[in-house]
Amino acid sequence: SYELTQPPSVSVSLGQMARITCSGEALPKKYAYWYQQKPGQFPVLVIYKDSERPSGIPERFSGSSSGTIVTLTISGVQAEDEADYYCLSADSSGTYVVFGGGTKLTVL
Amino acid sequence: EVQLVESGGGLVQPGGSLRLSCAASGFTFSSYEMNWVRQAPGKGLEWVSYISSSGSTIYYADSVKGRFTISRDNAKNSLYLQMNSLRAEDTAVYYCARDIYGGNSGKAYWGQGTLVTVSS
Repeated sequence: SYELTQPPSVSVSLGQMARITCSGEALPKKYAYWYQQKPGQFPVLVIYKDSERPSGIPERFSGSSSGTIVTLTISGVQAEDEADYYCLSADSSGTYVVFGGGTKLTVL
Repeated sequence: EVQLVESGGGLVQPGGSLRLSCAASGFTFSSYEMNWVRQAPGKGLEWVSYISSSGSTIYYADSVKGRFTISRDNAKNSLYLQMNSLRAEDTAVYYCARDIYGGNSGKAYWGQGTLVTVSS
């Protein structure tokens, strides 16, 4: 079955840049979506179609894609950005939608 | 305002069955694809199943294939998940969700979730 791989945790100091990666074989052909989830809440879409930012999401959130790796970048991390982040994409056939294992972002 | 409200969760014994419902409002339900996503306690998100707007195309995660059945009633603006042969590992919060993947609008909608606990 198809898998998306994320680092379990990323730590960054307040105001610095955080990068969270997601790797998968089909990513060159399938868009990635990024979700932020805080404890006790449902996920919130922060990046769609690899690099598009939804309205209402701060400009410090950006996405990029290079081959089999997509990256969520948070520039100038704020305390409120501390959360779990999940990438989401599909396998090459489009049959299976898969979440990455999630990355816990800690703001120091 | 788009609203998705799940119901039907609860405690069930291993091997038992449960039917989840999701009541949709605030949009033309029959025009949208829908998904079920679950999250086990303290764990990550797991996509469970997809259904097209007409119900003609359905996909399942391997972990639930053959045990779960997704369906919809567009006349009632409702999405369902029939869960049979439940296992302890099916214990999770189950979310009904719209436009989580493939959308072009930058908007994704989730319900608040309903907790399913499989335990003896």
